[in-house]
Amino acid sequence: TQLLEQSPQFLSIQEGENLTVYCNSSSVFSSLQWYRQEPGEGPVLLVTVVTGGEVKKLKRLTFQFGDARKDSSLHITAAQPGDTGLYLCAGVRPIPTFGRGTSLIVHP
Amino acid sequence: EPEVTQTPSHQVTQMGQEVILRCVPISNHLYFYWYRQILGQKVEFLVSFYNNEISEKSEIFDDQFSVERPDGSNFTLKIRSTKLEDSAMYFCASNGADNEQFFGPGTRLTVL
Repeated sequence: TQLLEQSPQFLSIQEGENLTVYCNSSSVFSSLQWYRQEPGEGPVLLVTVVTGGEVKKLKRLTFQFGDARKDSSLHITAAQPGDTGLYLCAGVRPIPTFGRGTSLIVHP
Repeated sequence: EPEVTQTPSHQVTQMGQEVILRCVPISNHLYFYWYRQILGQKVEFLVSFYNNEISEKSEIFDDQFSVERPDGSNFTLKIRSTKLEDSAMYFCASNGADNEQFFGPGTRLTVL
């Protein structure tokens, strides 16, 4: 079983703060995906990273894939209340393995 | 905007009964998936389906589970004899060649 560990599990911050969440594994993945999930809804894909060392930006979100393709990070700049949600990473190999997620709350 | 749809949104059944969960993937997608998420736990892959056959399945997807694409639009997950531990949200997903996976809103299955 491939384990994907996400940290922190919970994060509660004020609007305007920066934050980074991490996704770590001992396994190498062909690609890694980040999703956001709202309560009672399905995950929504944010980004897919494929190449070791790859960095992708999506407005205030910056995603990085580790050089060895075993880990990834998501950095949010100037968080807003609308960023509140559960952030999931999923390693693809080719079966997707999801982490437990980081539950983010951004207070106004 | 195209979306994956799932029916029903909530299914309540008695232990031992058969259930069929239905999904309509995005029309031009070729790859279809079922996942489940037990309350408070992580999303777990069940099965992937391509070209009218299963391409990958997890340990969870045992003989009690089956999938079917009965026509050009529907993709179904059948659980033959439900157990209490089958209670979960079941998500259908689909993607095209670009691997951008779209999830449906889920079916909440409650086994009593």
